[in-house]
Amino acid sequence: DQQVKQNSPSLSVQEGRISILNCDYTNSMFDYFLWYKKYPAEGPTFLISISSIKDKNEDGRFTVFLNKSAKHLSLHIVPSQPGDSAVYFCAASATGNQFYFGTGTSLTVIP
Amino acid sequence: DAGITQSPRYKITETGRQVTLMCHQTWSHSYMFWYRQDLGHGLRLIYYSAAADITDKGEVPDGYVVSRSKTENFPLTLESATRSQTSVYFCASSLQGTGNTIYFGEGSWLTVV
Repeated sequence: DQQVKQNSPSLSVQEGRISILNCDYTNSMFDYFLWYKKYPAEGPTFLISISSIKDKNEDGRFTVFLNKSAKHLSLHIVPSQPGDSAVYFCAASATGNQFYFGTGTSLTVIP
Repeated sequence: DAGITQSPRYKITETGRQVTLMCHQTWSHSYMFWYRQDLGHGLRLIYYSAAADITDKGEVPDGYVVSRSKTENFPLTLESATRSQTSVYFCASSLQGTGNTIYFGEGSWLTVV
């Protein structure tokens, strides 16, 4: 049973616009959430994280929002750039010894 | 800073053969993980290790064996490879405890024919 879900397999956005990637989870014990970016033939690279005690975390063009009551998190990229085209995975952890990943969303930023 | 290195990066093997994927990290992270990535499934945890000589099963452990005699190494062995084990395998590590980020190697592409 998938505990972390990314229901949009793909997303296309114009350069300069906002990209919003969504993620839902089912386990209320999750207390730490992460986003990873993956280019083809490379390993996933860490992008941004958020603890369950916060509802927002920003790092440059990237902002992650957490809605605990809805068990939902989202990643906002503003402005989107062609180099942001990649597969994005969200992940969640309850104890720090297991990280559960979603199935990924492929983002294409159109120049 | 080497981080996490995986070898081999690419491997083709035959059904029934034993294959070992190597993983080495230079950060002295307590936790190490093996994931496989398959279309439609994302990243699924095979095994993880909290410290040397401590390993535990993840979501999809069947057909795999791990060991961790040294903190820096975490090899993954397919004892008798099957076609369903054709996948991309990622090793990862993190510091101990919740709230820590997990860092990935570059992956090992395994094809079982």
